[in-house]
Amino acid sequence: GQNIDQPTEMTATEGAIVQINCTYQTSGFNGLFWYQQHAGEAPTFLSYNVLDGLEEKGRFSSFLSRSKGYSYLLLKELQMKDSASYLCAVTPGGYQKVTFGTGTKLQVIP
Amino acid sequence: GAVVSQHPSRVICKSGTSVKIECRSLDFQATTMFWYRQFPKQSLMLMATSNEGSKATYEQGVEKDKFLINHASLTLSTLTVTSAHPEDSSFYICSARDGTSGKAFFGQGTRLTVV
Repeated sequence: GQNIDQPTEMTATEGAIVQINCTYQTSGFNGLFWYQQHAGEAPTFLSYNVLDGLEEKGRFSSFLSRSKGYSYLLLKELQMKDSASYLCAVTPGGYQKVTFGTGTKLQVIP
Repeated sequence: GAVVSQHPSRVICKSGTSVKIECRSLDFQATTMFWYRQFPKQSLMLMATSNEGSKATYEQGVEKDKFLINHASLTLSTLTVTSAHPEDSSFYICSARDGTSGKAFFGQGTRLTVV
């Protein structure tokens, strides 16, 4: 089975840095996704980590440790528009279904 | 970047009618496509997984005769909601997985309202 945990809600200040953690326990692992979802909209792709380490893409970075079953999404220089839900998702071995966590609702305040 | 196009974005239909939703990967071949539904303020719920040329695998509790999925090509999957009822009103979202990179991208979603 798959079990993915991430905090339900977080609040951070505009201009600050926030780290959203995700831990997972899965039968097999082929990659971990992070998506951003604004209310009423479909998720948008942020990152896909297959190997251990940090991948940086502009203000967003994603880290993966396969041995620890752990990932985080780092958002720098927070902007008000970053207020959204951030979804962690894992795919087991092979191109099978992608299993989502419940998402972390991030609120950015002035 | 990879684009997944989903149509229609919004649809209102009468109870008892059927609605077809299309999901296309525009610039990559999608070996696998996923269909989700999402109720307000709730998580994505996977309905089914489809691989090109084979029958879809439905999640427990999802009626395969009510939610017909066809994945006829590597760039197109359709979801047909048959004999729709008001309780089927929801946000339906498709996701297509790039067979080369392994990355999965979402369509824009379809907001279905059954009256």
